[in-house]
Amino acid sequence: KQEVTQIPAALSVPEGENLVLNCSFTDSAIYNLQWFRQDPGKGLTSLLLIQSSQREQTSGRLNASLDKSSGRSTLYIAASQPGDSATYLCAVKGNTDKLIFGTGTRLQVFP
Amino acid sequence: DAGVTQSPTHLIKTRGQQVTLRCSPKSGHDTVSWYQQALGQGPQFIFQYYEEEERQRGNFPDRFSGHQFPNYSSELNVNALLLGDSALYLCASSLVGYEQYFGPGTRLTVT
Repeated sequence: KQEVTQIPAALSVPEGENLVLNCSFTDSAIYNLQWFRQDPGKGLTSLLLIQSSQREQTSGRLNASLDKSSGRSTLYIAASQPGDSATYLCAVKGNTDKLIFGTGTRLQVFP
Repeated sequence: DAGVTQSPTHLIKTRGQQVTLRCSPKSGHDTVSWYQQALGQGPQFIFQYYEEEERQRGNFPDRFSGHQFPNYSSELNVNALLLGDSALYLCASSLVGYEQYFGPGTRLTVT
């Protein structure tokens, strides 16, 4: 059974810091991995999707890497801003069409 | 082009009642998936509908049922509500097997 874990559960940093959020999964037989952002009480916004054949994806200040064999992904946020404050969720998709989510990392960036 | 829409935004129900949540998929999408997100947790897959049939199901009791209409919109029904059913219910649409796009969610409170 696939399980997804995210570390740390919460993070509070000053503006301008570079951040690394971690996601690990127990079954390496994944189709893709996706990072989402969620603001309080809101839906999910997709940030990056990495196919199983890819090593990383980049969008602006965000970079996500995938090491499928070790069951790990990291989301790197450069030069963090207060507007980055949100919960970040990773999700994996296996050979079925359902997404399996971690419990998220709650990020607060203060000025 | 409207994205995924869900209604209502919020609702409050009493234990034992029944509730129906609605989802309209993104234009061009034919598949709808439903997820339950309890407070502080990651979303959990409930089920997925494609071609008006339940295509796959997560580990949820039969109190949770759904429907997909010919226009691809979907309903999630929950019978005999329990306090533990209080959660954010997220709908995601896609082309079958492709990236899922999430709606804003419906916040259900059971008292």
